[in-house]
Amino acid sequence: EAQVTQNPRYLITVTGKKLTVTCSQNMNHEYMSWYRQDPGLGLRQIYYSMNVEVTDKGDVPEGYKVSRKEKRNFPLILESPSPNQTSLYFCASSSLAGGWGNIQYFGAGTRLSVL
Amino acid sequence: GNSVTQMEGPVTLSEEAFLTINCTYTATGYPSLFWYVQYPGEGLQLLLKATKADDKGSNKGFEATYRKETTSFHLEKGSVQVSDSAVYFCALKFSGGYNKLIFGAGTRLAVHP
Repeated sequence: EAQVTQNPRYLITVTGKKLTVTCSQNMNHEYMSWYRQDPGLGLRQIYYSMNVEVTDKGDVPEGYKVSRKEKRNFPLILESPSPNQTSLYFCASSSLAGGWGNIQYFGAGTRLSVL
Repeated sequence: GNSVTQMEGPVTLSEEAFLTINCTYTATGYPSLFWYVQYPGEGLQLLLKATKADDKGSNKGFEATYRKETTSFHLEKGSVQVSDSAVYFCALKFSGGYNKLIFGAGTRLAVHP
């Protein structure tokens, strides 16, 4: 079954304690992306990757890091989480074939609370 | 800049009512347009899409038509069911945008029996 898997689904942490949210896809997609979802703002892109070792900032990258060492994995790293990073996070992936009509597939989300 | 504006929710309807969720966009060039749906506790799923003007996307009884002249992509369904209760996101993507989706704020739909 084609899927994007995020872990953990729920996470409560404290300010300053480094954490990693993992994302893995089994569709051999080139493109992967992280979004955060906040009430009234929809989803906003944090970082994206066009392929292995190719990553770039999205609209709200501050306080986040990513890496893409393997095609299937795209972890999101919060080196020193702060309360304003409390949010719902989604990982997405897509093929780059088919132009701008191609479909992005989303994980089930990670709800993060930073105290 | 490029943006998507959706009607504010929540929208509350009775089962079998007609649904419209408005979506308008601002974009340079000619984007592809999407509706994604988020059921409670789940990730986003593609509901339908349209890639050029006058295209109609449809799926599960939902429809939306890409209207370039009004820069709109309104979502409609003739008869909603309780199982349609979810948050609906309108989004756009264009060829020069590094595959990035630009989302509206989302509209929560609640359907009551």
